[in-house]
Amino acid sequence: GAGVSQSPSNKVTEKGKDVELRCDPISGHTALYWYRQSLGQGLEFLIYFQGNSAPDKSGLPSDRFSAERTGGSVSTLTIQRTQQEDSAVYLCASSSGYRGINYGYTFGSGTRLTVV
Amino acid sequence: AQSVTQPDIHITVSEGASLELRCNYSYGATPYLFWYVQSPGQGLQLLLKYFSGDTLVQGIKGFEAEFKRSQSSFNLRKPSVHWSDAAEYFCAVAASNTGKLIFGQGTTLQVKP
Repeated sequence: GAGVSQSPSNKVTEKGKDVELRCDPISGHTALYWYRQSLGQGLEFLIYFQGNSAPDKSGLPSDRFSAERTGGSVSTLTIQRTQQEDSAVYLCASSSGYRGINYGYTFGSGTRLTVV
Repeated sequence: AQSVTQPDIHITVSEGASLELRCNYSYGATPYLFWYVQSPGQGLQLLLKYFSGDTLVQGIKGFEAEFKRSQSSFNLRKPSVHWSDAAEYFCAVAASNTGKLIFGQGTTLQVKP
């Protein structure tokens, strides 16, 4: 597609429920990133996929968070047993791979997650 | 691992005044550096980027930034601020060997009329 697409744009869930957030990167982009932006906070790195390499999961805050990328394209971020502190905007970005970052990183509009 | 520090959480300037937002990075090799802007309720917009070459880079909306290796800095500047520049500004560094992008905490710019 023309840009990075994230769905849903807004999600309200009850504490303790699981949620799945989806990211459709730009076609052909080999690198995909997930970030979290909490109120008054910066952009917190969560996880990074680069081609077929093992993902860099160093930013995932707890084992309740996981992400996968199927077929080198679509990615799903799953949060299990959601807590109120998980409320944030979750941003996805893609780029044409680390050797192609001259083209920059394109960000989606984000999913605003509210845990009540 | 790379990291980014934006020392100023909040800056207020008068419209028409000059602006400098500070950014310091930590990375062992030559970094790829970026400035993004986020207006309220909006997504991230790339202002400018530095990969190599001329250390003074020009961006959109009249912004520029200067890469100073000796100071590990990449400060953003604008000669005359407009009210529409009020937003949050993020500095980011990408590792040149992996492309992994890390952001600073952001600086919120308020513009006084």
